[in-house]
Amino acid sequence: GAVVSQHPSRVICKSGTSVKIECRSLDFQATTMFWYRQFPKQSLMLMATSNEGSKATYEQGVEKDKFLINHASLTLSTLTVTSAHPEDSSFYICSARDPPNTEAFFGQGTRLTVV
Amino acid sequence: KQEVTQIPAALSVPEGENLVLNCSFTDSAIYNLQWFRQDPGKGLTSLLLIQSSQREQTSGRLNASLDKSSGRSTLYIAASQPGDSATYLCAVTGGYNKLIFGAGTRLAVHP
Repeated sequence: GAVVSQHPSRVICKSGTSVKIECRSLDFQATTMFWYRQFPKQSLMLMATSNEGSKATYEQGVEKDKFLINHASLTLSTLTVTSAHPEDSSFYICSARDPPNTEAFFGQGTRLTVV
Repeated sequence: KQEVTQIPAALSVPEGENLVLNCSFTDSAIYNLQWFRQDPGKGLTSLLLIQSSQREQTSGRLNASLDKSSGRSTLYIAASQPGDSATYLCAVTGGYNKLIFGAGTRLAVHP
C-alpha cells in the first residue's frame, strides 16, 4: 500500500510553546489529508480535513486557532499545536488518500507530551 | 450523524481459535468500510477495504464481510496467533470523504 510518513514520532515540549507535526505522502499525491487525535484506549477522533491550497475544515469543537493546519503541497500537511498545554498531550495521527473515498493510509503517529 | 460501534470491546482467546469481530454503523450511505490494526503506541495498518458494492474481502487468514443494508460488518480471523494481538478498528467512509471510526476491539491471543 501507499506510504504516509509522520514526523516526529515523539515530542516533549514545555507548556506555552508551539509544536509542529509533519505528515508526508511519500509515493502518491494527496489533495486531502486528515488529522486525528487519540486518547489512551480510545478511538480516533477526526480533528480536521486538510485541503491542498485552501483552508482546513475543522470538526465541531476543535479550536482552529490552537491547531493550525497547513497543506502547502500535494505531499505535505503540517499540524501546529500553538501555546500547548498539558491537556493537549495526546497521540496525533495523520491520514491521506487519493482519490477521495478510496483506501486510507495512516502515518505512524506522534506522541505529544506537554510538561 | 454516522456512528460506528464495535463489539466486543475486548477479547482474550487461546492460540488457534477462530474469531469474529463485529462492527455496526448507523448510516448505510457509505462508500466503503475499512478494517485496521493498531499496535500499542503505533499508527494504523490497513487490513482490508470493502467497497460498498462488495460483500466480502479476504487476505490470508482474514476475511471481512459487509452487509450495507443492515449496517454491519464482521472481521473473521482464522487460526489466531499471539502475533494477532492488537486493537482492531473498523471505519466507514461516508459524506465529505471522512473516515469515521469505531472504538475498537482489543484482542489478546495467548499461547
